[in-house]
Amino acid sequence: DAGITQSPRHKVTETGTPVTLRCHQTENHRYMYWYRQDPGHGLRLIHYSYGVKDTDKGEVSDGYSVSRSKTEDFLLTLESATSSQTSVYFCAISGRPGQNTEAFFGQGTRLTVV
Amino acid sequence: AQKVTQAQTEISVVEKEDVTLDCVYETRDTTYYLFWYKQPPSGELVFLIRRNSFDEQNEISGRYSWNFQKSTSSFNFTITASQVVDSAVYFCALSEAGRDDKIIFGKGTRLHILP
Repeated sequence: DAGITQSPRHKVTETGTPVTLRCHQTENHRYMYWYRQDPGHGLRLIHYSYGVKDTDKGEVSDGYSVSRSKTEDFLLTLESATSSQTSVYFCAISGRPGQNTEAFFGQGTRLTVV
Repeated sequence: AQKVTQAQTEISVVEKEDVTLDCVYETRDTTYYLFWYKQPPSGELVFLIRRNSFDEQNEISGRYSWNFQKSTSSFNFTITASQVVDSAVYFCALSEAGRDDKIIFGKGTRLHILP
């Protein structure tokens, strides 16, 4: 177990409401990532962080924001949820890719926007 | 820009057959890292291997083997004597070291091992 926890694991929300997903790690890894997984698209990077308060956009960042105020927590916020954001969201952590660390993934959060 | 292509969307083979999953990548960097992950039906993502761009040696781990060829920008994954438990979605991924280290994934190959 890589010490990475996502919460909630399942959520149903209404269109237009804000939603926050939490990723918590106990590994003190520097890098944290949020991906979404959709049929036919694989895993797409939403946002990532390379340190506290250091974040950057990924491939599909529109409609999402992130925050990392502590090493261990990386929050993903859907500012106004839309049906197109129905997906499975994965958080991942790594020390630094290639430097004897691999990326570990959380169990995923299934989000349904109705 | 970095890109990973897994052209095989879905593959079905009969148990005990060998199967190769293709992965082709694009990068401008000379230093980069390649990964394979497995996602079984239960949904979790399981790390299988990491390879850096300076190490072109093929790797074997039990029934799994990986063929890294920089000349063709490929990092293919072979399962020998496949088993039903190998049924999963397999993802290839790339990270360009020295830039922002983000890890980009291919779309995955769904592998069905038929009994």
